[in-house]
Amino acid sequence: AQTVTQSQPEMSVQEAETVTLSCTYDTSESDYYLFWYKQPPSRQMILVIRQEAYKQQNATENRFSVNFQKAAKSFSLKISDSQLGDAAMYFCAYRSAVNTGNQFYFGTGTSLTVIP
Amino acid sequence: DSGVTQTPKHLITATGQRVTLRCSPRSGDLSVYWYQQSLDQGLQFLIQYYNGEERAKGNILERFSAQQFPDLHSELNLSSLELGDSALYFCASSVGTGGYYEQYFGPGTRLTVT
Repeated sequence: AQTVTQSQPEMSVQEAETVTLSCTYDTSESDYYLFWYKQPPSRQMILVIRQEAYKQQNATENRFSVNFQKAAKSFSLKISDSQLGDAAMYFCAYRSAVNTGNQFYFGTGTSLTVIP
Repeated sequence: DSGVTQTPKHLITATGQRVTLRCSPRSGDLSVYWYQQSLDQGLQFLIQYYNGEERAKGNILERFSAQQFPDLHSELNLSSLELGDSALYFCASSVGTGGYYEQYFGPGTRLTVT
């Protein structure tokens, strides 16, 4: 079974600074998708960014970018110019591209605090 | 707003009781997923339905069951509730079952068992 590990339960960053959240995963599949989700206090799950494993280029969405290292099975999220609204729980997630039961496998999350 | 609706928003019940959580997927989405998020944990996959049929099962307890109706809404039934069942229950929907299809999450139902 696929496992997703987030080794940083809590992180903090100064407003306007950059922070990197770590994620590693374990899979025997070669084709899959990786995601970062944000969960603010409202508990709504908000998609931040998505990466297809077959793409070598790292995904970028405005201030959010990833460092995808397929061989190392590493998928970190970089948040640049951090804003107060970025404070939330961040979950890394894996989803198979070949398995028809394409449920998510989530990590345990990293709680990000943004310091004004 | 993802277009996925879940009712009720909050539910408080006693141990041993039975509850039903409801999910309406986005218009056009055939697949529904249920996830459980216990306190300070990541989401755990429970079960998936596609066009009325069970497609995949995760670590769903035997006390829990689900179904998807012809109008594609889904219900998650939790019975003989225990304190440990207190959690946030999310529903997500997607157009298809392949990994390519995006899953859209509902706002969740917070269940408290006392």
